[in-house]
Amino acid sequence: QKEVEQDPGPLSVPEGAIVSLNCTYSNSAFQYFMWYRQYSRKGPELLMYTYSSGNKEDGRFTAQVDKSSKYISLFIRDSQPSDSATYLCAMISRDDKIIFGKGTRLHILP
Amino acid sequence: DSGVTQTPKHLITATGQRVTLRCSPRSGDLSVYWYQQSLDQGLQFLIQYYNGEERAKGNILERFSAQQFPDLHSELNLSSLELGDSALYFCASSLTSRGLAADTQYFGPGTRLTVL
Repeated sequence: QKEVEQDPGPLSVPEGAIVSLNCTYSNSAFQYFMWYRQYSRKGPELLMYTYSSGNKEDGRFTAQVDKSSKYISLFIRDSQPSDSATYLCAMISRDDKIIFGKGTRLHILP
Repeated sequence: DSGVTQTPKHLITATGQRVTLRCSPRSGDLSVYWYQQSLDQGLQFLIQYYNGEERAKGNILERFSAQQFPDLHSELNLSSLELGDSALYFCASSLTSRGLAADTQYFGPGTRLTVL
């Protein structure tokens, strides 16, 4: 079983829809959870960073962590064509080991 | 623009060769990180340097090495190249070295390496 699983997509949704992106993980030592956005031919950029279970909101983005189910989500409200990108989840363990999901390609259709 | 620069943008070389990738961190950042991104493996952390010293090591092969110089720029050296080393190599920088989780990392645009 891979440490971090992420559906590669592509995921196509109409503009204005709510997008849900997810990752599951198997290592209970992961403590920090992040979401990165990567546009084509660019480096990843940090979107959200959470530590505890629960929700964290930043503008149109909400990150959700459920440590008991080893499941994290990123929700994008009022999706825009500019949100079209690859979204990577990432997790860091107590011993400073970082693992990335392989990314989900998202297309927002105008 | 993240403020992190990487050169070259593209590199094409042959198996068995050695290449050097260069990274300049954002002004004021002391930590530099190297990552490899390929289609089959995804994004993988290779190594971190802080103020010239190795801070953390990930899935870096013995054929690969890195260093950070007094002016804080960093170089990633890849030797005895194999076809499977073809990938995007990203450099990232952050302000301090309080651990991977403590600082926001800013990624450069990457170097695309093709090994033929």
